[in-house]
Amino acid sequence: NAGVTQTPKFQVLKTGQSMTLQCAQDMNHEYMSWYRQDPGMGLRLIHYSVGAGITDQGEVPNGYNVSRSTTEDFPLRLLSAAPSQTSVYFCASSYRGGYNEQFFGPGTRLTVL
Amino acid sequence: SQQGEEDPQALSIQEGENATMNCSYKTSINNLQWYRQNSGRGLVHLILIRSNEREKHSGRLRVTLDTSKKSSSLLITASRAADTASYFCATVPIMDTGRRALTFGSGTRLQVQP
Repeated sequence: NAGVTQTPKFQVLKTGQSMTLQCAQDMNHEYMSWYRQDPGMGLRLIHYSVGAGITDQGEVPNGYNVSRSTTEDFPLRLLSAAPSQTSVYFCASSYRGGYNEQFFGPGTRLTVL
Repeated sequence: SQQGEEDPQALSIQEGENATMNCSYKTSINNLQWYRQNSGRGLVHLILIRSNEREKHSGRLRVTLDTSKKSSSLLITASRAADTASYFCATVPIMDTGRRALTFGSGTRLQVQP
């Protein structure tokens, strides 16, 4: 099993550009989530999904969109990148969200100029 | 807002010593989890302790939970240089069980000197 994979590993964007961060898991987990990690602030939840076709907002959803058309994939879209979105983004999956251990991807380091 | 806060923010010890990290949280929880993050990598799950449990062991790790004080501690015994990493506690608040999302603290950076 590959676990949770994320692409790209690194990305530099200019303000106003859009892009999609990819996340995929091969563990048949129902629950998937996106976090961002800023220095000294731990991880903050952006969006999450409890199953295919079902998504909801987390703590810091503004400027991001998600969709979940399959169990395996959970892409995160930045609509119009801003310097405040410079961060490291982690995707995670689990069987039942926080009731179980979560499996994290290796992260995408995003810089917005 | 962050539910859990780790203490200390940074800890430096010698190889072979024990390392203790503490986590405090604000509201009643379903469970508390500890994760490790090596520099530049994703988080790795270490241990999960449920609100009705008081202590759990996994190898060199011992986790305690005191729900009356809303606190937890992670003890790493006989530390090794490979234990150098950031350690995060994460909780699922009972009020948020519909979302089932983990809320993370800001972490403790552990440095184990060889």
